Amino acid sequence: QVQLVESGGGVVQPGTSLRLSCAVTGFSFRVYGMHWVRQAPGKGPEWVAGVLFDGNIEQYADSVKGRFIIARDTSRNVGYLQMNSLRTDDTAVYFCAKDDGTGYWGQGTLVTVSS
Amino acid sequence: DVVMTQSPLSLPVTLGQPASISCRASQSPLYSDGNTYLNWFQQRPGQSPRRLIYKVSNRDSGVPDRFSGSGSGTDFTLKISRVEAEDVGIYYCMQGTHWPWTFGQGTKLEI
Repeated sequence: QVQLVESGGGVVQPGTSLRLSCAVTGFSFRVYGMHWVRQAPGKGPEWVAGVLFDGNIEQYADSVKGRFIIARDTSRNVGYLQMNSLRTDDTAVYFCAKDDGTGYWGQGTLVTVSS
Repeated sequence: DVVMTQSPLSLPVTLGQPASISCRASQSPLYSDGNTYLNWFQQRPGQSPRRLIYKVSNRDSGVPDRFSGSGSGTDFTLKISRVEAEDVGIYYCMQGTHWPWTFGQGTKLEI
């Protein structure tokens, strides 16, 4: 059974960094890529970043390009979202999802950027 | 990017009555593998979005059979045969065929 568990969220100040993790079971990152999706308070879901199964293609939303990095450790089957230069408008629940087009994600981890 | 347009954005319903939400894509979510990656989510108040339907018409485990999805091409529909109080919330469609994944604006269902 596919399971994704996000972790690493917390309260941080603007300008700082945070790394989110996504531990998966039921499939391998050697076969599937991954995505990160977020939902800010009172807003709809927003796609953040995606990486192909082979790691050769990464894509980012304009709002995070140059600040966030998506990565995977295929040996440990863990995905990451490195978030740098955080801004208050990055405050959201972050979800990781398997790249199979169906939008199945975990419970999410809350990131709050506030001074 | 593929634009997903939902209608209506607000849907007042009566308990026990049917409800229908439309989702139109600016580009077909039909993928080269023959699947159409059009998915529906429900977000109850205070909760995270929960997937209800994947690949147009496949209900997730635990989703009541009063929910059904249909459509093809660029037009898709989520139907609730008889609305119950627990169905209150916001419904989103999402296409997962083209990068970036994109979502509809959301339809708020209220009793």
